[in-house]
Amino acid sequence: GIQVEQSPPDLILQEGANSTLRCNFSDSVNNLQWFHQNPWGQLINLFYIPSGTKQNGRLSATTVATERYSLLYISSSQTTDSGVYFCAAPFNAGGTSYGKLTFGQGTILTVHP
Amino acid sequence: EAQVTQNPRYLITVTGKKLTVTCSQNMNHEYMSWYRQDPGLGLRQIYYSMNVEVTDKGDVPEGYKVSRKEKRNFPLILESPSPNQTSLYFCASSFRGDTQYFGPGTRLTVL
Repeated sequence: GIQVEQSPPDLILQEGANSTLRCNFSDSVNNLQWFHQNPWGQLINLFYIPSGTKQNGRLSATTVATERYSLLYISSSQTTDSGVYFCAAPFNAGGTSYGKLTFGQGTILTVHP
Repeated sequence: EAQVTQNPRYLITVTGKKLTVTCSQNMNHEYMSWYRQDPGLGLRQIYYSMNVEVTDKGDVPEGYKVSRKEKRNFPLILESPSPNQTSLYFCASSFRGDTQYFGPGTRLTVL
């Protein structure tokens, strides 16, 4: 199955700073998702982004499927952005999901006031 | 409100005592999944289902059973729980494998 790697593993920011999180995957995909797990454990879907760029407030994501990576941008970070950010891709090479996803190990983000 | 619900949220049990964690979604989603989350191992898929009566194994299915008799429900069954199944469990659903919506999680401790 596909391999998903995220970097950096940890990131510490001061409130107001910008950051970029990266997700590399080992094969072509047609389904790439970003999630945020808050400090209380809740998992929230941020983006479903198989290709191109999407924006939602201070967050945006870009997936370049041909080069097998996706980026999550966080601008003007706030303490509420703290938590773990996961990306996930379909398990099967060729990118068809069928509900079977492989998650990266996550990036732990800490935003200090 | 569109949501995925899980019950119970917290459970402490003993080795070998059968248990069921329920999962229900009200979004008419076709796909449902179960994951477990462990420190250092991230999120791993246990089982997934693409429709009623259609299920398949994920990465770590050993020791678990599932059933999908109704579209909205996807219970996770541990026939004989063991301490290595102590974990945080999440149920998720999606329309057809696209945007995944997660339940609040069930923290299970097996003594």
